[in-house]
Amino acid sequence: AQSVTQLGSHVSVSEGALVLLRCNYSSSVPPYLFWYVQYPNQGLQLLLKYTSAATLVKGINGFEAEFKKSETSFHLTKPSAHMSDAAEYFCADFTGNQFYFGTGTSLTVIP
Amino acid sequence: DVKVTQSSRYLVKRTGEKVFLECVQDMDHENMFWYRQDPGLGLRLIYFSYDVKMKEKGDIPEGYSVSREKKERFSLILESASTNQTSMYLCASSWSPSYEQYFGPGTRLTVT
Repeated sequence: AQSVTQLGSHVSVSEGALVLLRCNYSSSVPPYLFWYVQYPNQGLQLLLKYTSAATLVKGINGFEAEFKKSETSFHLTKPSAHMSDAAEYFCADFTGNQFYFGTGTSLTVIP
Repeated sequence: DVKVTQSSRYLVKRTGEKVFLECVQDMDHENMFWYRQDPGLGLRLIYFSYDVKMKEKGDIPEGYSVSREKKERFSLILESASTNQTSMYLCASSWSPSYEQYFGPGTRLTVT
């Protein structure tokens, strides 16, 4: 059962613009939420994770995500996009006994 | 640094062949996972293992089997490869089921 939904399979931003990648979860118990990044021809790399310690989570490469229970969301943001941010991004939720990954959002950064 | 390695980056096999994909992790992780990644479908869990000689089916186990004889090694087996198994295969490992997973670079398998 899919428990995370990523809105927008492709997102394009200009270099220096705000990056916003959307993720909504559906689990009814406190979730474990993750964002991963995948650069071309590579495996997935952890960007950040939420484990209920703080609602605003800071990750690597200037990314952060905010857990909003009222909206069941865990959107990923970065204030200023860089060309090197072009990649595919996956939201994931640990529910029950396994991870569920979203279908991914491909981020294009326009110079 | 945690390192997860996969035996091949690219593999081309013929329909009906038996295919072995190997994964090795060097951090003494208890848990190991096999996913396949297809455009528009994200990652789908094939099998996972929480301990040596233990295995659990994921969401799409049909046509696959696994083997975990040693803690650091988790093998995915395609008993009789078919063209619909052409995909990117990703192996991952973790300390605990709910902890972050560490991924290998992937094996792009083409079945002709």
